[in-house]
Amino acid sequence: GAGVSQSPRYKVAKRGQDVALRCDPISGHVSLFWYQQALGQGPEFLTYFQNEAQLDKSGLPSDRFFAERPEGSVSTLKIQRTQQEDSAVYLCATVAGRASYNEQFFGPGTRLTVL
Amino acid sequence: KNQVEQSPQSLIILEGKNCTLQCNYTVSPFSNLRWYKQDTGRGPVSLTIMTFSENTKSNGRYTATLDADTKQSSLHITASQLSDSASYICVVSGNTDKLIFGTGTRLQVFP
Repeated sequence: GAGVSQSPRYKVAKRGQDVALRCDPISGHVSLFWYQQALGQGPEFLTYFQNEAQLDKSGLPSDRFFAERPEGSVSTLKIQRTQQEDSAVYLCATVAGRASYNEQFFGPGTRLTVL
Repeated sequence: KNQVEQSPQSLIILEGKNCTLQCNYTVSPFSNLRWYKQDTGRGPVSLTIMTFSENTKSNGRYTATLDADTKQSSLHITASQLSDSASYICVVSGNTDKLIFGTGTRLQVFP
């Protein structure tokens, strides 16, 4: 595809439910980032992959959050036992090379609402 | 703690007017500074990227400046259009691959 795609675009979950959010990167992009964006705030880093390797997961807020990228392409962010404070937009971004020097291309995000 | 602060938090201007958004950062070491535009319901889109040695960069009606000594940047929008209504986010990169985002300035342009 032409850009980063994410699915679903919107997800409503009941508190305690597990959810899985998908990111399809731009073909060939090595680096993939997940961010959490609360309403009216800037994105906050969650985790980072280079190919299939998860190099940094220091931003994951709790052990209920888990991300994977098993084949170095599509990535899934999973949230177990969702809580109301997990409500946010989850953004995926991919980079052709080193993220610190190259442009990050963002997907449209998944808006998660936990009731 | 590495931080990126933006001002104002929100701004309303009339179509055709100019405006300037501010960004102060404490990220060190510094690699580059970016400005992103985020339309409602969409992901951020890059406007400019500036490294330590660059002090100005333009992208159409958008002009970003950088003063690495004072750790300040500004984004100037000339002859605003209704489509400029969005959040503008200042993002700083240090010596890691992790980007540090500001909270954004929400700009509304009215006819």
